[in-house]
Amino acid sequence: KQEVTQIPAALSVPEGENLVLNCSFTDSAIYNLQWFRQDPGKGLTSLLLIQSSQREQTSGRLNASLDKSSGRSTLYIAASQPGDSATYLCAVRMDSNYQLIWGAGTKLIIKP
Amino acid sequence: GAGVSQSPRYKVAKRGQDVALRCDPISGHVSLFWYQQALGQGPEFLTYFQNEAQLDKSGLPSDRFFAERPEGSVSTLKIQRTQQEDSAVYLCASSADLIGTANTGELFFGEGSRLTVL
Repeated sequence: KQEVTQIPAALSVPEGENLVLNCSFTDSAIYNLQWFRQDPGKGLTSLLLIQSSQREQTSGRLNASLDKSSGRSTLYIAASQPGDSATYLCAVRMDSNYQLIWGAGTKLIIKP
Repeated sequence: GAGVSQSPRYKVAKRGQDVALRCDPISGHVSLFWYQQALGQGPEFLTYFQNEAQLDKSGLPSDRFFAERPEGSVSTLKIQRTQQEDSAVYLCASSADLIGTANTGELFFGEGSRLTVL
């Protein structure tokens, strides 16, 4: 059974720092992996999606990597800003299956 | 529409009342999902539609929960005789893809309907 883990559960860093959020999964037979952002009281905003055949995806200051063999994905945020404060969730979609398996999220606080 | 739209955004119900939550997916999206999210946790799968067909309802917590998508577009999640444990945010998501196709499988979420049962 696929399990997705996000560590740390919470992270607080000063503005301007580069940081890495981690997502690990136990079964490497994934279809894709998607990173989401959730602001308090809001829905989920898709940030980056990495297909199983890809190694990384970039969007602005965000870069997500995928290493299927080790069961890991990282979300790299460059030059963090207070507006980046949110909860970041990763979700894995398995081969030929529509269901997403979710991590519990990392709550990120960027201090001005 | 430009994105997934859900209504109402907030709903307060007395225990025992019936509620209906609406989801307007992105136009043309084939797949539609309902999720339940408790405070501080990731979303939990409830049910999945491919066009008007409900292919999976294994995540619905009880027979008080019912979902439909009669014309393959708008979907409604109905909860009968609400209980306090039903309090959560109900998220709707849509995707352009079908199982087994070459589409990306990217999921787009609405802002959710926050249900509070007193």
